[in-house]
Amino acid sequence: EAQVTQNPRYLITVTGKKLTVTCSQNMNHEYMSWYRQDPGLGLRQIYYSMNVEVTDKGDVPEGYKVSRKEKRNFPLILESPSPNQTSLYFCASSGASGRMVYEQYFGPGTRLTVT
Amino acid sequence: AQSVTQLDSQVPVFEEAPVELRCNYSSSVSVYLFWYVQYPNQGLQLLLKYLSGSTLVKGINGFEAEFNKSQTSFHLRKPSVHISDTAEYFCAVSHGSGNTGKLIFGQGTTLQVKP
Repeated sequence: EAQVTQNPRYLITVTGKKLTVTCSQNMNHEYMSWYRQDPGLGLRQIYYSMNVEVTDKGDVPEGYKVSRKEKRNFPLILESPSPNQTSLYFCASSGASGRMVYEQYFGPGTRLTVT
Repeated sequence: AQSVTQLDSQVPVFEEAPVELRCNYSSSVSVYLFWYVQYPNQGLQLLLKYLSGSTLVKGINGFEAEFNKSQTSFHLRKPSVHISDTAEYFCAVSHGSGNTGKLIFGQGTTLQVKP
């Protein structure tokens, strides 16, 4: 089954404790992206990757890191989480041709609470 | 810069009534347009997309949308809603040429279908 998986689905942590949210897709997609969803703000892009070893900042990259060492995986790293990073996070992937990206497929989401 | 405005944050409607969820965007270049649906505690699922061609686009679950370039709108419609259509709906836009895969989302519209 074609899908985007994220782990963990739920995470409660404390300020400053490094964490990683994993994302994996099995559709051989070139493009992957991370979004955060907050009430009244819709979804905002954090980082995206057009291919292996190619990443770029989205609208709200502060406090986050990503890496793309393999095509299927795109982990999101919070080196020192803070309470304002409490949010619902979505990973997405998409086929691409050159710089043209098509519809994105979303993972189930990771609900992160930072206390 | 691109932006997306969903004109209604909540739309209450009775079962079997028609519904329209409004979406306007601002862009000076060609765009790709999408509607996604998010059911409670789930990720986003693509409802329909406009890339090019016919301005009337049909999607899943009986939804359709019409691309109106002169009014920069992409309103979503369904002639008769069901209780199961209760969800949050997001309009999204990306550049149609040379795009970097960046999706700009609206703030979302909650559709509440009442019996």
